[in-house]
Amino acid sequence: DAGVTQSPTHLIKTRGQHVTLRCSPISGHKSVSWYQQVLGQGPQFIFQYYEKEERGRGNFPDRFSARQFPNYSSELNVNALLLGDSALYLCASSSGQGSETQYFGPGTRLLVL
Amino acid sequence: GEDVEQSLFLSVREGDSSVINCTYTDSSSTYLYWYKQEPGAGLQLLTYIFSNMDMKQDQRLTVLLNKKDKHLSLRIADTQTGDSAIYFCAERDTGRRALTFGSGTRLQVQP
Repeated sequence: DAGVTQSPTHLIKTRGQHVTLRCSPISGHKSVSWYQQVLGQGPQFIFQYYEKEERGRGNFPDRFSARQFPNYSSELNVNALLLGDSALYLCASSSGQGSETQYFGPGTRLLVL
Repeated sequence: GEDVEQSLFLSVREGDSSVINCTYTDSSSTYLYWYKQEPGAGLQLLTYIFSNMDMKQDQRLTVLLNKKDKHLSLRIADTQTGDSAIYFCAERDTGRRALTFGSGTRLQVQP
């Protein structure tokens, strides 16, 4: 079975641009969470979606937005990129019920110049 | 707010046991997790423990939970060079959906 997939794997942008990151959850999972991992730190929670509805939001500015599609895949959008947005963006998939154990994808590494 | 703390670095010799420690502050933590991250990769779920348990064993991995002291540990028996990675402790309570992670412990296994 395929795990969580993310695209692209790497991305280079310049300040002020916007970026869209994509995630496909494990088959049968209905919930997707996004995390930002800055170098040398643990992941920080950005959003969680379940059944296309936002179910949780971390302490990130409004430049960050996300959505979930009917097939449960998800996009994370970041506008007006700053140098500090350079990080590994991780998507996690969970069933959305019960223990809600989260399984992570390989991440998208974003570099903002 | 919630906080999870880990020591930064641990070095062991191949074949020895490794013990990685974690403390957390949220008394309503329900689930506690251990993830492994190899260089340039995502997070691999190793194991998790529910807060009403004291111990969980899974092959070479043993998780101990001291709920009174809010202390979690991961013991890796017969540590191998392939175990070299960063290990993250994470917690979640039933009221939140998000995981709160520590900063990670880098495990270095020397041959």
